[in-house]
Amino acid sequence: GAGVSQSPRYKVAKRGQDVALRCDPISGHVSLFWYQQALGQGPEFLTYFQNEAQLDKSGLPSDRFFAERPEGSVSTLKIQRTQQEDSAVYLCASSTDRVGYNEQFFGPGTRLTVL
Amino acid sequence: AQSVTQLGSHVSVSEGALVLLRCNYSSSVPPYLFWYVQYPNQGLQLLLKYTSAATLVKGINGFEAEFKKSETSFHLTKPSAHMSDAAEYFCAVSDGTGRRALTFGSGTRLQVQP
Repeated sequence: GAGVSQSPRYKVAKRGQDVALRCDPISGHVSLFWYQQALGQGPEFLTYFQNEAQLDKSGLPSDRFFAERPEGSVSTLKIQRTQQEDSAVYLCASSTDRVGYNEQFFGPGTRLTVL
Repeated sequence: AQSVTQLGSHVSVSEGALVLLRCNYSSSVPPYLFWYVQYPNQGLQLLLKYTSAATLVKGINGFEAEFKKSETSFHLTKPSAHMSDAAEYFCAVSDGTGRRALTFGSGTRLQVQP
């Protein structure tokens, strides 16, 4: 596709449920990023993949958060036992692997509401 | 460690007036700097980027920003605001080498009054 796509666009979960958020990056983009954007805040980094390798997961807030990109393309962010504080917009971004450039292209995000 | 400070969470201007959105950064290495715009219920769109070339960077929709190392600033300007400029604007920094993640400011909401 022409841009980064994410699904679902909206997700409502009951506290304690598991959720899975999907990201389809721009074709050929090696790097993939997940960010969490709380209401009224800027995005905060969660994790980064280069192809299928998860090179940085320093931003994941707890062990309930897990991300994968098994074939180096589509990525899934999974949140187990959701809590109300997980309510946020989850943004996915992709970029080429040109060192020092790092322009990231963002998807529309998935708005997660935990009741 | 990197950080970004955006002064003013809300800025209101009249249509046709100058837009000035402030961004100050801290970085232990030469930074790469970005301005993104976010419209309601949409993702982030890149306005412009500084990657150690010209210090005055021109972006889309008539926006530009100037990198001032001495002031650690990267303020965003537009000579004449348009109603369609109303949105949330985010400044972001990356060191562009090791850690690829962007560090964002908290954002500035721009309102344009008719």
